[in-house]
Order: sequence, then structure tokens, then C-alpha cells
Amino acid sequence: AQTVTQSQPEMSVQEAETVTLSCTYDTSESDYYLFWYKQPPSRQMILVIRQEAYKQQNATENRFSVNFQKAAKSFSLKISDSQLGDAAMYFCAYRSALRYPMNYGGATNKLIFGTGTLLAVQP
Amino acid sequence: KAGVTQTPRYLIKTRGQQVTLSCSPISGHRSVSWYQQTPGQGLQFLFEYFSETQRNKGNFPGRFSGRQFSNSRSEMNVSTLELGDSALYLCASSADWTLRRSYNEQFFGPGTRLTVL
Repeated sequence: AQTVTQSQPEMSVQEAETVTLSCTYDTSESDYYLFWYKQPPSRQMILVIRQEAYKQQNATENRFSVNFQKAAKSFSLKISDSQLGDAAMYFCAYRSALRYPMNYGGATNKLIFGTGTLLAVQP
Repeated sequence: KAGVTQTPRYLIKTRGQQVTLSCSPISGHRSVSWYQQTPGQGLQFLFEYFSETQRNKGNFPGRFSGRQFSNSRSEMNVSTLELGDSALYLCASSADWTLRRSYNEQFFGPGTRLTVL
């Protein structure tokens, strides 16, 4: 079974500074996706960034980037130039990319989440 | 395009009752997944539907069930509610997938906050 671990329950960063959130995972699969989701207080979960395991290049989305170390099964999120609006709970998540004949050759959308990191941004 | 909608947004029930939660996916999306979010257990996968068929199920007791209708709307039902069922229930939808390698982003709804007294 796959597991996702986030060892930092809470983090704090000064506005305009850079912060890195850690995530490790365990899987025996070779094909999968990794995600970072953001859940602001009382607001909807939104996708921040995704990484496909077969791609060696680290994903980047504006101020958000990841450091994907496949051999080490590590997937950290770096937020540059932190803004007050970045304050939220951040979840690391795993999704298998394997396809199953019983699913008409499709893959599952099932996400396995870590326990989350609550990020505070200080003005 | 309207996002994923979930109704009701808040619900209070008592132990032993049953509850039905509804999720309307984004127009054109045929895949719906459900998650339970609690402070103690975090986010846990409940089940996943595609074209009215359940194709994956999490490790929850049989009191938790779901279904999907021909218009892709989905409902989940919890019978004989327990205090531990108090949680935020999230629904996520995604577009059709194909046999080609493709990625379909999942979009989450705002959730239904269920409180069991």
C-alpha cells in the first residue's frame, strides 16, 4: 500500500521570504503522480502543482516549485516570495497512474493524502 | 463553468440517524470521488464513481455507501450515524479519461460539514 508522510505539522514564513514544505512517500509502483494541494481556512481545496513520476524535470508554477527526488521518494514544495494569501493547510498527495483492465483501461483518481502542513505567513 | 457543488453545506444529525449528501460535478465531468476529512484521521478516500459504476472503494464500513446517476451527479449515504462520522465530506470531479496517457485534474467542492450529536 502507498503512504504519504508530511513531518511538519506547522510552518511559518515571513512575507516575501521562501519556505519549503517536506513530503515523503512510499510506493512500489513505478508510474504515479504527486501533488500539492492547498486548503485555505473554510475554503475549497485547490491544486497547487503536480509532478509526473516519469518526468525528471521538476515542476514549476509561478512562485511554486517542487524538488522531486524519485529514488529518495521525496517531494518537497518551495514557495518563493511568500504572500499573505499563501497561508493555508498544504497537503501532499499521491495518485497511481497504473491502468486496470476492469476500469476499461483507465486509471484511478484515488488520492492518498499526507496529514498536512499548516503554513502561517507573517506580515 | 460552474464548479463542483455540494449540498447541503452544513448538516446536524443525531446518532443512529442516516444522512444523504449530494455532489454535482462540473458539467461534462463523469468521474466523482468522495473523501472524508477529520482532524484525527485526515483525508481519507471513500469511493470513486465513473459512468454510474463504482470503480474503487476505500476502507470504510458498509454503513457508507454511494451511487452515481446518469447525469453524473453523485450521492453518498451514511446509515446508523456514529459520533465518529462527524467530518467534512469532500467531493471531487474530473473529466473523462481515455486509453491514451492523459491527465485529468480533479476539482474539489466546498464540502459538507456533518456534525453528529
